[in-house]
Amino acid sequence: DAGITQSPRYKITETGRQVTLMCHQTWSHSYMFWYRQDLGHGLRLIYYSAAADITDKGEVPDGYVVSRSKTENFPLTLESATRSQTSVYFCASTTKLGNWKQYFGPGTRLTVT
Amino acid sequence: AQKVTQAQTEISVVEKEDVTLDCVYETRDTTYYLFWYKQPPSGELVFLIRRNSFDEQNEISGRYSWNFQKSTSSFNFTITASQVVDSAVYFCALSEALIRSGNTGKLIFGQGTTLQVKP
Repeated sequence: DAGITQSPRYKITETGRQVTLMCHQTWSHSYMFWYRQDLGHGLRLIYYSAAADITDKGEVPDGYVVSRSKTENFPLTLESATRSQTSVYFCASTTKLGNWKQYFGPGTRLTVT
Repeated sequence: AQKVTQAQTEISVVEKEDVTLDCVYETRDTTYYLFWYKQPPSGELVFLIRRNSFDEQNEISGRYSWNFQKSTSSFNFTITASQVVDSAVYFCALSEALIRSGNTGKLIFGQGTTLQVKP
C-alpha cells in the first residue's frame, strides 16, 4: 500500500542495547524527518534528510544515528539506548513540490527499561 | 529562532460548546507555513490545515475555522458545536518555506493542547 510506514510499532529494550527504528515511504518524497514526542514537549525534531545520503541534525540529535542510502528508507538507530529515550517516535516525509504538507507515519512506541 | 507556543495545556468543554485553541508563533522569515494537526487517542497525527504566510484569509471547514493574524503572530483554531469525537491533542506547527537553498521544511511544534469534550 502507498504511504509511510514505521516498524516496529512497539518495542521494549534494555538500557545499553542498540535498536533501530525503520521508516519507509512510497511517494519518493525527497525530505524525511524523525521526531520524538514527549509529554509537555510536543514533537521535537531529531534528524532530517533532504535527499539520499544527505542528513542533518535537528533539535535533539544526541544518542541517535540516521542513514539514508535509498530515498524511500530513513532508519533511526539508538546506538546505546537510555531510559531518557523512552518516547513515541514519528517519521514524516514531504516534498519540495506540492503543498509542503508533512505526512506522518503511525509512530513507534519505544520503552527503554 | 522559530518558536510555537500553545499556552493552553488542557481544555475541557461540554458537547455543543464552541472552543478556541490558541497558537502564537515566532519567526524571522517573511515566508512560512502554519499547520494544525490532530492527534486522537489512537495516536496518529491527522493533518487539519496548512496556511501560508501571505494568505491571511480566514478558513472555514465544516465546524472548524481558523483565524490567522500576522499582526499578532497568531493562528487560532475554533471548533463550533464541539462533539465528543473532537477529543484529542491538537498541535500547531510552523514550517520554514522551501524556497531558499538550505531550507528543509522541518516543523516546529507547539506543546499541544489536550481537548476533552464531555457528553
